Amino acid sequence: EAGVTQSPTHLIKTRGQQATLRCSPISGHTSVYWYQQALGLGLQFLLWYDEGEERNRGNFPPRFSGRQFPNYSSELNVNALELEDSALYLCASSGNSDSIKTQYFGPGTRLLVL
Amino acid sequence: ILNVEQSPQSLHVQEGDSTNFTCSFPSSNFYALHWYRWETAKSPEALFVMTLNGDEKKKGRISATLNTKEGYSYLYIKGSQPEDSATYLCALGGNFNKFYFGSGTKLNVKP
Repeated sequence: EAGVTQSPTHLIKTRGQQATLRCSPISGHTSVYWYQQALGLGLQFLLWYDEGEERNRGNFPPRFSGRQFPNYSSELNVNALELEDSALYLCASSGNSDSIKTQYFGPGTRLLVL
Repeated sequence: ILNVEQSPQSLHVQEGDSTNFTCSFPSSNFYALHWYRWETAKSPEALFVMTLNGDEKKKGRISATLNTKEGYSYLYIKGSQPEDSATYLCALGGNFNKFYFGSGTKLNVKP
């Protein structure tokens, strides 16, 4: 069974630009989560999508947004990039059949903002 | 925001040593506690999910215990091997699928 995949693995942008990160969940999973790990910090919850809708959002500004497509894949968009957005962005997915909602992670996209 | 703390921050042990580390969390409104192993350049791997006070889970040489009343979980590794070197994360699962992660314990096992 294929795991969660993310693309690209690395992304370099300059301040003010927009970044788009992509995630494909495990087949059959309908929920997708996005996390940020900035240097020296733990994983911070960004967004949760389920069945195409945003269900929950972490403490991040509105320039962090995303969407979930009918095939349950997801995009994270970061507008007006700032230097402090440089981080590892992890995507995870979970399935509805799991009442505990264990999250399975992808390998991440490392974003560098210059 | 729920505060999940892990200790120690890092740990260096010799091959064959047994080791353990701690995850502390608020004991009120407990739902589930997850442990992950995160090797460098790989995806975090789910190890255990624990839901009941007194839960004990085991996977090979790794085991975990849970005390929801006092708000802590221990992860034990028996006879550490170099391939156990990784960052071990705990996460408190709550309502609305939001996970609260600790900052992790980085384990380095020297051959």
